[in-house]
Amino acid sequence: DTAVSQTPKYLVTQMGNDKSIKCEQNLGHDTMYWYKQDSKKFLKIMFSYNNKELIINETVPNRFSPKSPDKAHLNLHINSLELGDSAVYFCASSNWTSGRETQYFGPGTRLLVL
Amino acid sequence: KQEVTQIPAALSVPEGENLVLNCSFTDSAIYNLQWFRQDPGKGLTSLLLIQSSQREQTSGRLNASLDKSSGRSTLYIAASQPGDSATYLCAVRAADKLIFGTGTRLQVFP
Repeated sequence: DTAVSQTPKYLVTQMGNDKSIKCEQNLGHDTMYWYKQDSKKFLKIMFSYNNKELIINETVPNRFSPKSPDKAHLNLHINSLELGDSAVYFCASSNWTSGRETQYFGPGTRLLVL
Repeated sequence: KQEVTQIPAALSVPEGENLVLNCSFTDSAIYNLQWFRQDPGKGLTSLLLIQSSQREQTSGRLNASLDKSSGRSTLYIAASQPGDSATYLCAVRAADKLIFGTGTRLQVFP
């Protein structure tokens, strides 16, 4: 049973297209995240949602629009894809127990924009 | 602005060696620090979490220390094995987000 799942695993597309990446967690967590890992393996937060509400938006271009239909899902829609969007996108969810947060990451979606 | 740096960027060692991975951060106002492991083509797995009030955490052959005042953490791996080969990331929690380091790519050869 996968705790945090993402689809698709791989995405190859042309510049200018619009694409979506889906994320689902079955852990009952309230908080979900999207991270971008670039070619140098640097992992950076993009968005954070808590109970379907946006709480972090890290100066990401507005071509990126997260959507949370319910607290188990956080999808990422990207408009007008650019070459620089090529990266691995990770979804994560987290919970807090005894003042400690643990994040659980999905397997990643490898996006290649041609 | 918090910046997290890891040294070395890559490390290749023979099996059985004890090794140390380093993580430094510029702002000591953190809630906690986590060490993650990332296998090629996979997501991240949390290894150890140290709260800001703690000095170290241990799990099996792994030991992580935290010196908040100097902005440093180390991950010590004892008796390394080929299965330890992966990229190791440290991340500090500041306010409501994790800020990741640049990672250390570890290769343990038989």
